[in-house]
Amino acid sequence: AQSVTQPDIHITVSEGASLELRCNYSYGATPYLFWYVQSPGQGLQLLLKYFSGDTLVQGIKGFEAEFKRSQSSFNLRKPSVHWSDAAEYFCAVEGGSTLGRLYFGRGTQLTVWP
Amino acid sequence: DAGVTQSPTHLIKTRGQQVTLRCSPKSGHDTVSWYQQALGQGPQFIFQYYEEEERQRGNFPDRFSGHQYPNYSSELNVNALLLGDSALYLCASSLEERRRYNEQFFGPGTRLTVL
Repeated sequence: AQSVTQPDIHITVSEGASLELRCNYSYGATPYLFWYVQSPGQGLQLLLKYFSGDTLVQGIKGFEAEFKRSQSSFNLRKPSVHWSDAAEYFCAVEGGSTLGRLYFGRGTQLTVWP
Repeated sequence: DAGVTQSPTHLIKTRGQQVTLRCSPKSGHDTVSWYQQALGQGPQFIFQYYEEEERQRGNFPDRFSGHQYPNYSSELNVNALLLGDSALYLCASSLEERRRYNEQFFGPGTRLTVL
């Protein structure tokens, strides 16, 4: 069965610093991978997704993620963090017979210091 | 173009009671999925509805049931509430013909507290 691990529960960075949030997945074939962001009182917003092709995926708000099959990873990056990026970030996987069903990691809470 | 809407925003119930949560999908979407997000956890898939039928179901007991109406709106019903059912319940909508792209749009959720 598919599963996702986000090893960092909480990350703190200074505004303007670079950011990398880690995500490891478990799935036999090529998965569909997603990053979502959730602000307090808000639903989940899709940042980016990987289905196939180029392993470096560009998303909204200046985020990007790189799919590395050999490491079963799909890490999220941003070169310069803004205070408004403070939120909770979820990595998710989907695929195979469970198409349409997302498996989420437990999330990484991002705090941004001014 | 309204996005996914959910009602109510917050709800407080006591153990043993029953609750109904409602979801209106994004305009034009025909598929609705429900997720439970406990505090400090990622969302967990409850079930998905398409053409008024439950198409997929996650690892949730039969106390959790749903319904989809002809206008694609959906309800989540939970019977015999337990303290552990306290969570944020998220509804997501999508379009079946674009299923392979998994373009799910999430609503803001309903916060259920069971006392």
